[in-house]
Amino acid sequence: NAGVTQTPKFQVLKTGQSMTLQCAQDMNHEYMSWYRQDPGMGLRLIHYSVGAGITDQGEVPNGYNVSRSTTEDFPLRLLSAAPSQTSVYFCASSLAGGTTYEQYFGPGTRLTVT
Amino acid sequence: EDQVTQSPEALRLQEGESSSLNCSYTVSGLRGLFWYRQDPGKGPEFLFTLYSAGEEKEKERLKATLTKKESFLHITAPKPEDSATYLCAVRASGTYKYIFGTGTRLKVLA
Repeated sequence: NAGVTQTPKFQVLKTGQSMTLQCAQDMNHEYMSWYRQDPGMGLRLIHYSVGAGITDQGEVPNGYNVSRSTTEDFPLRLLSAAPSQTSVYFCASSLAGGTTYEQYFGPGTRLTVT
Repeated sequence: EDQVTQSPEALRLQEGESSSLNCSYTVSGLRGLFWYRQDPGKGPEFLFTLYSAGEEKEKERLKATLTKKESFLHITAPKPEDSATYLCAVRASGTYKYIFGTGTRLKVLA
């Protein structure tokens, strides 16, 4: 199993540009989520999904869109990039219910907005 | 409001010098408390899940414990390869949201 994969690893955008960060998992997990990690702030939840067609906002959703058309994929779209969105982005997945729901993380995308 | 606080922010140990990391939490009904290890430039790596007060889990030199207000990650006789940032997270009952602390940066000196 590849686990959770993310592309690209690095990205530089100009202010106002849009892009999509890709995330895929091959563990048949219902739950997927996006976090951003900034120095001194810890991991903050952007959006999450508990299954195909179901998404909800996390702590810091503004400026980001998500959709979930398949169980495997959960892309994160930046609509109009701003310097404040410079960060490291992590995708994670887990089972949604049952007795174990620890999250498994991808390797991250380092985004710089100039 | 659900909250997770980790202490200390940073810790330097000599190889073999045992210590503990703390994770204090406030949550309206705990569904689970999670410990992760994160190496520089990489994603968090899952270590343990604790579900109820009194529970303990062990893995090599690491042991995680849980009370109703906090969790400890005990590191026994650490080695330089244990150097990393250790993250704590909680999930409250009735929600799919995970709340993370800001982590403890551990450096083990040879």
